[in-house]
Parts: sequence; structure tokens; C-alpha cells
Amino acid sequence: DQQVKQNSPSLSVQEGRISILNCDYTNSMFDYFLWYKKYPAEGPTFLISISSIKDKNEDGRFTVFLNKSAKHLSLHIVPSQPGDSAVYFCAASRGYKLSFGAGTTVTVRA
Amino acid sequence: DTEVTQTPKHLVMGMTNKKSLKCEQHMGHRAMYWYKQKAKKPPELMFVYSYEKLSINESVPSRFSPECPNSSLLNLHLHALQPEDSALYLCASSQGGTGGNEKLFFGSGTQLSVL
Repeated sequence: DQQVKQNSPSLSVQEGRISILNCDYTNSMFDYFLWYKKYPAEGPTFLISISSIKDKNEDGRFTVFLNKSAKHLSLHIVPSQPGDSAVYFCAASRGYKLSFGAGTTVTVRA
Repeated sequence: DTEVTQTPKHLVMGMTNKKSLKCEQHMGHRAMYWYKQKAKKPPELMFVYSYEKLSINESVPSRFSPECPNSSLLNLHLHALQPEDSALYLCASSQGGTGGNEKLFFGSGTQLSVL
């Protein structure tokens, strides 16, 4: 049973514009939410996280928003850059157990 | 050194073979993980070691046998695998401790093909 869902398999955005990636979850016991970025032939790399007690966390060009009542989180990347083209995984944790979404492939167009 | 090193990068094995996947980190992390990722699917947790003890086994078949010889090394022993076990096997480590908000550092994975 998929507890973390990313319903958009792909996203294409123009360089300099905002990228918005969405993620939904079903388990209200998750205590942290994380975003990972993955390039081909590499393992996922940590991008940003948010505690379940917060609603926003910002780190440079990356901002994660959490709406607990809707069990929804989103990642905003602004401005988007060509190096942002990658697969982005949403993940949710409870203790050591991290559950991943299926990923969204982002393509930044010049 | 912020790397998690996995060897081999690629492995092809028959269903009767025995092979091992290796993972190493020198970040002083006390939690280490094995994940399995099939094509176009999310990574799925297999095992977690915390302070060199197995703390999570996600009901993985016994043909997969993890081993943590010390705090820097993690092995995955493979025996009598099935073709459906073909996947990318990812090792990860994290600082450990409370088990919450663990930032996992992943290796590049071993692409396994079972014939």
C-alpha cells in the first residue's frame, strides 16, 4: 500500500520560473517529510526536510510547505535552473522507516 | 568524506549463485540501510541497522541476508535469488540516534540482474 504518492510523473518548466512539486500521504503518524533529488546513475541526495509540527521550511531556492489537515506537501524551486533537471522523490519518515513516493521527473527548459 | 561507496556497480548472477553486495561509509554514521528500487518505482526499505544491530527487517525473504561487520560496513548476501529480484539495490547511512528526521546519504547503488 503506497503511503506516499506523487501523482505527477513529470514536470517541464522554463528556466527562471517556479517549479512546484506535489506530494500526498495517508499515514498521519509520519513525523518528518523530506525531499530527495536523484540524477541518473547516482543515489538520491537529500534536499530539504520539514517537521510535522511546522508548515514551512526554506533553504535558499527551495521551500517546502506542509498542510497537515490535507495530508499534502509541496516543494517550490525558484528560480528553476538547468541543473535542477532530475527526479525528485518525496519521502515521509516515522523513526528510521522512510517511505518514498514514486518520483517526479523535472525538466528545466532553457 | 560524505560518500557512501557501494560495490559492485553492476552484478549479473544465476539463480543458484551466491554473491554479496558491499557498502562502506566513513562519516561516523551509526545507522545503515538497504533499499531496493525497481524501475519506475520508489525505493523500498529492506533492512535497517542501528548501532550495528538489525533493528528493522521489512519481511524480506531469507534469500537476502544482511550483515553489519562493523559501524562502517554493511553487506547484503544473496543466495538462490529469483529473476524478479532484479533491481537497483541502494545502501544508505544516517547519523542515527533518535531515529527521527534522519538525513540519509545514499550510495550510487548496485544494479542486479538475476538470470
